[in-house]
Amino acid sequence: NAGVMQNPRHLVRRRGQEARLRCSPMKGHSHVYWYRQLPEEGLKFMVYLQKENIIDESGMPKERFSAEFPKEGPSILRIQQVVRGDSAAYFCASSPPQGGRGYTFGSGTRLTVV
Amino acid sequence: QKEVEQNSGPLSVPEGAIASLNCTYSDRGSQSFFWYRQYSGKSPELIMSIYSNGDKEDGRFTAQLNKASQYVSLLIRDSQPSDSATYLCAVEKSSGDKLTFGTGTRLAVRP
Repeated sequence: NAGVMQNPRHLVRRRGQEARLRCSPMKGHSHVYWYRQLPEEGLKFMVYLQKENIIDESGMPKERFSAEFPKEGPSILRIQQVVRGDSAAYFCASSPPQGGRGYTFGSGTRLTVV
Repeated sequence: QKEVEQNSGPLSVPEGAIASLNCTYSDRGSQSFFWYRQYSGKSPELIMSIYSNGDKEDGRFTAQLNKASQYVSLLIRDSQPSDSATYLCAVEKSSGDKLTFGTGTRLAVRP
């Protein structure tokens, strides 16, 4: 299956811990996007990456959040010192290099901070 | 003004009817437009894309774009209960750029 793979599907963290969310794009896709969705709300853009480059991080909170897409391996969204307000569904999407054809989304990671 | 606006709904239609979902966007230079369907607890799924003014049909779905009015719509003919979901409108300003999503319209199809 060449879909967008996200893991874990569900993640529970205590306040103050770190959360690491992983995303492997579809085969042939070089662009990765991370979105956050709060209950009953739309998808909020966080960051857009290509291999070893952050292209647009205008939606990332200034503190505690970081993202990377290394040359080898999946893209990682890291949230340090999580707080209850970080509880949300985090979706990763990928698109081919030429863009303009929309995204394919992964199944998401549901983060719960207790 | 939000970049992409949709009525949150719920929009309730009887089975077999036409469901009409609407979306407006603020950036006149936007180039690509998409409709995603999201079932509760699931990830968004791309169902339609449209790039030029006019209508684009795919099965029971028709997307309509009017760039002068900055308006995109999705029509679902012969609505089925399985169409009950949240429909997200997304806009891409330029090829390869991020998508900006509306908050979605919840559609409920009554049997």
